[in-house]
Amino acid sequence: DQQVKQNSPSLSVQEGRISILNCDYTNSMFDYFLWYKKYPAEGPTFLISISSIKDKNEDGRFTVFLNKSAKHLSLHIVPSQPGDSAVYFCAASGIQGAQKLVFGQGTRLTINP
Amino acid sequence: NAGVTQTPKFQVLKTGQSMTLQCAQDMNHEYMSWYRQDPGMGLRLIHYSVGAGITDQGEVPNGYNVSRSTTEDFPLRLLSAAPSQTSVYFCASSYDHVETQYFGPGTRLLVL
Repeated sequence: DQQVKQNSPSLSVQEGRISILNCDYTNSMFDYFLWYKKYPAEGPTFLISISSIKDKNEDGRFTVFLNKSAKHLSLHIVPSQPGDSAVYFCAASGIQGAQKLVFGQGTRLTINP
Repeated sequence: NAGVTQTPKFQVLKTGQSMTLQCAQDMNHEYMSWYRQDPGMGLRLIHYSVGAGITDQGEVPNGYNVSRSTTEDFPLRLLSAAPSQTSVYFCASSYDHVETQYFGPGTRLLVL
């Protein structure tokens, strides 16, 4: 059973516009959520995170929103740049397994010039 | 500071062969983990370690063994490779909490 789901395998956005990547989860015990970015032939790199006690966290062009009642989070990238083209993974961790990350399937974001 | 290093980058095995995927980090991190990435599945945790001498199973541990004799190294052993273990394997380490994990570049494994 996939506890963290990214239902869009791919997303194409024009340069300068907003990119919105979505993620849903089923386990209510998750209390920390993260986004990772991955380029081909490289390991994932940490992008931004949010604790369950917050509903928004910003870092420059990246903002993550958390809707606990809907068990949904989203990553907004504004403005989108060509270097943002990558695969984005949503991940979650819970109190009982602080070192256990559960990942979504990933969304491939392509920024078109 | 090399970060997290993994060797080899690519390996082809025959069914039943054994091998060890190497992972090392030079950041004095206590926590280390192994993940596998398969198409449409994201990354799944195989085994993890919270310090030298301490390991535990993740989501998909079957067919893999680990040990942690030093802080720096966390090798992953396949005792008898199967085609289902064809995947890309990532090692990660962190100082304390999981959100600060640094990933290695990955090892692509093909089992024929």
